Amino acid sequence: DTEVTQTPKHLVMGMTNKKSLKCEQHMGHRAMYWYKQKAKKPPELMFVYSYEKLSINESVPSRFSPECPNSSLLNLHLHALQPEDSALYLCASSTSEYTEAFFGQGTRLTVV
Amino acid sequence: GESVGLHLPTLSVQEGDNSIINCAYSNSASDYFIWYKQESGKGPQFIIDIRSNMDKRQGQRVTVLLNKTVKHLSLQIAATQPGDSAVYFCAENALNQGGKLIFGQGTELSVKP
Repeated sequence: DTEVTQTPKHLVMGMTNKKSLKCEQHMGHRAMYWYKQKAKKPPELMFVYSYEKLSINESVPSRFSPECPNSSLLNLHLHALQPEDSALYLCASSTSEYTEAFFGQGTRLTVV
Repeated sequence: GESVGLHLPTLSVQEGDNSIINCAYSNSASDYFIWYKQESGKGPQFIIDIRSNMDKRQGQRVTVLLNKTVKHLSLQIAATQPGDSAVYFCAENALNQGGKLIFGQGTELSVKP
């Protein structure tokens, strides 16, 4: 299995909703990432988990809350988002923080 | 601040021609570079990588060149095909950055049949 699987593929949520994005990999990778990508822009790093511990938080607002329940799963909990948070949210994983990262297909999030 | 950028936002080539996509980086500590291809509606797909102890690396139809003196990276695609149409990103990392894979602005490659 060489895939990073993200669910859901599409999500529409209101500004008062609470939702979660899920990411799963079974490649034995020990580093996992969340990126945010706006249209026509490069992916921007949000969080890095290494061995299930948060190692990098790129000053992301607290309305985004990451969680790594185990070495195969990564969640991103969303609460009280703003319309400008609408974007493609990408999950990635890699053997370590210093090897190539493999990306999932992303969750297209729309905040209304 | 440090950044990774591309010289050209768009590139249009004829099918069968070779394509060259360029990337400039400014972080002198960067020592690991990756090229990604992103098709519309999909996540970035790994193409090829290179570490700073090399100046050239070849894959299937692709070659990456690294010039550390001028902090320049390029991706060459041989015999470009319509399926190569996508946005190409270079990304850089450094051992002392602990996993901060930073992406450049991207180049949109369009292949004309």
